[in-house]
Amino acid sequence: GDSVTQMEGPVTLSEEAFLTINCTYTATGYPSLFWYVQYPGEGLQLLLKATKADDKGSNKGFEATYRKETTSFHLEKGSVQVSDSAVYFCALSDRGNAGNMLTFGGGTRLMVKP
Amino acid sequence: EAGVAQSPRYKIIEKRQSVAFWCNPISGHATLYWYQQILGQGPKLLIQFQNNGVVDDSQLPKDRFSAERLKGVDSTLKIQPAKLEDSAVYLCASSSGTRPTDTQYFGPGTRLTVL
Repeated sequence: GDSVTQMEGPVTLSEEAFLTINCTYTATGYPSLFWYVQYPGEGLQLLLKATKADDKGSNKGFEATYRKETTSFHLEKGSVQVSDSAVYFCALSDRGNAGNMLTFGGGTRLMVKP
Repeated sequence: EAGVAQSPRYKIIEKRQSVAFWCNPISGHATLYWYQQILGQGPKLLIQFQNNGVVDDSQLPKDRFSAERLKGVDSTLKIQPAKLEDSAVYLCASSSGTRPTDTQYFGPGTRLTVL
């Protein structure tokens, strides 16, 4: 079945540092890929998505490129801020099942220190 | 545009009791999902509706969990009887369609604690 593997956290960075959170996936079909973010005390919010190979999703300074050859969708940001502290989830949606359920990774907690 | 609404936000019950959660999706969204998120893990789908029909309930523990979306708008998820391992956040999401490219929008969740 489909699965998503992302790097375990927590990831602790200083403000203005470069961020990479690795995400790789296994899918039977041709999935769409997503990054969701969960800020403390809040629900899941879509951060960015990509729906086909070589697409780059971007939002709020974050970027991720859909790499079909390496089955990866790594999240990057050039300069993190304290306000980026949250849990980040990589997810995929495929047509393997009857619907379009999201399959999530385990989440990576990011802590940014001033 | 109003987001996905859920209630209650928090619920504490004893094991073997029953509990119900309510969800109102984004207006016009035909597809509704219930996910279970255990602490420290990613969410896992319990059930997906398209209008008032079930699309996928293969991961719903049907001996104790039930869900309905009678008029194709809001939905209720019930657990009866609850077990300790049901302690989790229950997330409702909605989307405009059922394609893999369709974005799912999540509500704030209901945090359930079973004692």
